[in-house]
Amino acid sequence: SAVISQKPSRDICQRGTSLTIQCQVDSQVTMMFWYRQQPGQSLTLIATANQGSEATYESGFVIDKFPISRPNLTFSTLTVSNMSPEDSSIYLCSVRGLAASYEQYFGPGTRLTVT
Amino acid sequence: GENVEQHPSTLSVQEGDSAVIKCTYSDSASNYFPWYKQELGKRPQLIIDIRSNVGEKKDQRIAVTLNKTAKHFSLHITETQPEDSAVYFCAASTPALHYGGATNKLIFGTGTLLAVQP
Repeated sequence: SAVISQKPSRDICQRGTSLTIQCQVDSQVTMMFWYRQQPGQSLTLIATANQGSEATYESGFVIDKFPISRPNLTFSTLTVSNMSPEDSSIYLCSVRGLAASYEQYFGPGTRLTVT
Repeated sequence: GENVEQHPSTLSVQEGDSAVIKCTYSDSASNYFPWYKQELGKRPQLIIDIRSNVGEKKDQRIAVTLNKTAKHFSLHITETQPEDSAVYFCAASTPALHYGGATNKLIFGTGTLLAVQP
């Protein structure tokens, strides 16, 4: 499987500021996704990062709050904008490799705390 | 949309016993069902998966069964060891065509905290 890295691994931010999380894969992948995992909870899909076009957002998530970029097949960023304490969570990048593959793998996550 | 329920939320077993975690899904069009193991502070790891054209799949001490008619699937861990202790998540994949999206997406269950007592 692909090696997935995320930066930063953790951060503490003040409310009202923004943080950009980077996801880098060591090989080209067809699909990249961003998930949120709140403490003790399951994984919730934020959006699908589409290469060269706007991301596809899930219900409850909007582009103004979570702008996403995917400039190529190995890299994506998620920005958490105008943060509030409710945004404190782990944000995970996930990738699916081959076009015919269903298998999906996760990055190590970014632990965000908003004070 | 797809909804995945997972039971139990916590499970405690003695080392060497078997553990079974069950999930049900709502969308009959779902066609792929992975299981992830997440240790504390780590990323979810794919441990086994099954596609809708298969009824059972086994990999050493873990197995997954699928009942499409009843829309439920289960994870079975035999001869449990303390290192099996973790949170386990099931998921179901909703085909893109079914919901008008560009790609299949995974919907996760709520998780099961498995504790294996030595």
